[in-house]
Amino acid sequence: GESVGLHLPTLSVQEGDNSIINCAYSNSASDYFIWYKQESGKGPQFIIDIRSNMDKRQGQRVTVLLNKTVKHLSLQIAATQPGDSAVYFCAESPLPGSYQLTFGKGTKLSVIP
Amino acid sequence: DADVTQTPRNRITKTGKRIMLECSQTKGHDRMYWYRQDPGLGLQLIYYSFDVKDINKGEISDGYSVSRQAQAKFSLSLESAIPNQTALYFCATSDSAGTGNNEQFFGPGTRLTVL
Repeated sequence: GESVGLHLPTLSVQEGDNSIINCAYSNSASDYFIWYKQESGKGPQFIIDIRSNMDKRQGQRVTVLLNKTVKHLSLQIAATQPGDSAVYFCAESPLPGSYQLTFGKGTKLSVIP
Repeated sequence: DADVTQTPRNRITKTGKRIMLECSQTKGHDRMYWYRQDPGLGLQLIYYSFDVKDINKGEISDGYSVSRQAQAKFSLSLESAIPNQTALYFCATSDSAGTGNNEQFFGPGTRLTVL
């Protein structure tokens, strides 16, 4: 079946280094992708999104890369800070404007001071 | 997100009890969702609603029911709670009239424990 998954369940990064969190998806029809950050005890918070007609999008300290050829999505966090410690989820939507979001299991990012 | 609130934030109940979780939003969004999150797993969709009185089943609707009597409110009920419904429950909203994407905004979650 179609799925959204992550290569690494946990990631430890030294403060100040860059972090890369990966996500694989199997639905080639997916049109829209989101990265969410979930801190302990809180709901998921939107970080950045990308449409399938793009391969890169940048935000503040974050960049999302989309490789449709290999159905791979990544989130890059520059100069990782202790406040970046959280679980990061990717999610995909198969159709423009669709209600449906399929979430991956999440990667836990731990920042070492 | 302070625009999406959930009550209660924590609840402990016993098997067989009826439980209602409430969600309210001030974002003016038409679409609302209930998700369940289990440890180490992603979010699973329970029910969703596109507008008042519109109700649709998600992936795991068995054992749950919902009510959307007003655009700003979406409640989730467990008619007879069982231990494997112990989980984190999240409400979310989105705006169908927005960019055409489906960015969803989440509440802070309700931690439910069924003994």
